[in-house]
Parts: sequence; structure tokens; C-alpha cells
Amino acid sequence: GAVVSQHPSRVICKSGTSVKIECRSLDFQATTMFWYRQFPKQSLMLMATSNEGSKATYEQGVEKDKFLINHASLTLSTLTVTSAHPEDSSFYICSARLGGGWMEPQHFGDGTRLSIL
Amino acid sequence: QQQVKQSPQSLIVQKGGISIINCAYENTAFDYFPWYQQFPGKGPALLIAIRPDVSEKKEGRFTISFNKSAKQFSLHIMDSQPGDSATYFCAAPTGGGNKLTFGTGTQLKVEL
Repeated sequence: GAVVSQHPSRVICKSGTSVKIECRSLDFQATTMFWYRQFPKQSLMLMATSNEGSKATYEQGVEKDKFLINHASLTLSTLTVTSAHPEDSSFYICSARLGGGWMEPQHFGDGTRLSIL
Repeated sequence: QQQVKQSPQSLIVQKGGISIINCAYENTAFDYFPWYQQFPGKGPALLIAIRPDVSEKKEGRFTISFNKSAKQFSLHIMDSQPGDSATYFCAAPTGGGNKLTFGTGTQLKVEL
């Protein structure tokens, strides 16, 4: 149980392109979803928290107009990297949590490797 | 902002040995400390978590020890196997308990 699917697993595109990444909870309804960014051999850095039906909450230093997050249903959240540039190249990972309780575990997808040429 | 210090950065253990990874946090009102295991090119997977009012949690070969007064918790992997070779992250609640702050990670290699 608690399976989170992320798509696509890898994207290579030209600078200036917008890229959409999907995160789905397959066997549970996710009240809250999280988006992280991870550079090679580094930790997970939280970008934003999204709750179904409301606007995402972004972490300090994350450009909300650059990284658009939509959480339209209890099983789907999307991250759109707008006008991507080489410095946006990274490993993007989503996670989903069943409830709002602080003891509810986060379940992660397998990430999306984004490469901007 | 919560900070979580994790050590060591990397660890090499012989097959059958004990792997120990330590984490220290600053402050939290929420005693929930999970450990995640991440293989290359994959997302982190929840390995084990400790909840309030217990100082130790054991699941198979994996044990979390929690010292609340010292604000420290650790992961022990008994009888370490080559398949345990991965990066391990500890985490602590932050943002009113709604979010997790992750440690810097420990790259574990178990040698034959």
C-alpha cells in the first residue's frame, strides 16, 4: 500500500521550455503533497507544500511563478517548471501524505530527473 | 527553522557488522522521527519511524534509539548486508509538525 507514482521519470528539453511533472497517489487519498528538489549527493530540500483545493505554500527562496503547483484532486498534484533554464536541472521528487496529522508518514515517488540543455 | 545534523557522511561496514548513523535536531514539539532509505535514481522509502513516548523502536534488523533530553536519535542496522548499501536520511518535524526537515544523508556501503 501507499504507492506514489511520478511521471515522467526523466525529461530532457531545451532552455525556455515549460515542463510539467505529475505526482499521483495510487491507492490512497492524499490530503497533502510535497515537492522536493535534490542535487547530486545532497539532501532533500522542500520546495512547497500543497493541500487539495488550496494554493500551495512555498518555502523561502522558491519562486512561485517559476514553479507552479496544482493540487486539483486528492490523488494528483502537478509541478510545472516554467521557462526552464539549465540551472533548473535537478532531481524533483514528490511525496504524499494520507492525513494532516504530524505522525502520518510521507510516501515518496521515484522522482523526475530534469535536464535542461 | 529546524536543522538536523546527521553523521557520518559516509560509512563502510563489513557484511554482518553493525551500521550506526546518528542525528541531532534542534527543537520540535512533535516526537516523530522517521528514517528513509534511498537507492540511486529512486525516491526515498520509509524505513522505520519512532513515535512519542518510546525510546527505542525495532523492526527486524533496524532499530531506532531516541534520546529526548539530548535531542538525538540514531539508526542501528544489525547484520548489515550488501543490499543495505544505500543513502540513509533522518528527518524531524518542523513547520508546526506539518513538514519534515531532512538530515544531510549518510552513504552506506556494506562490503563482502
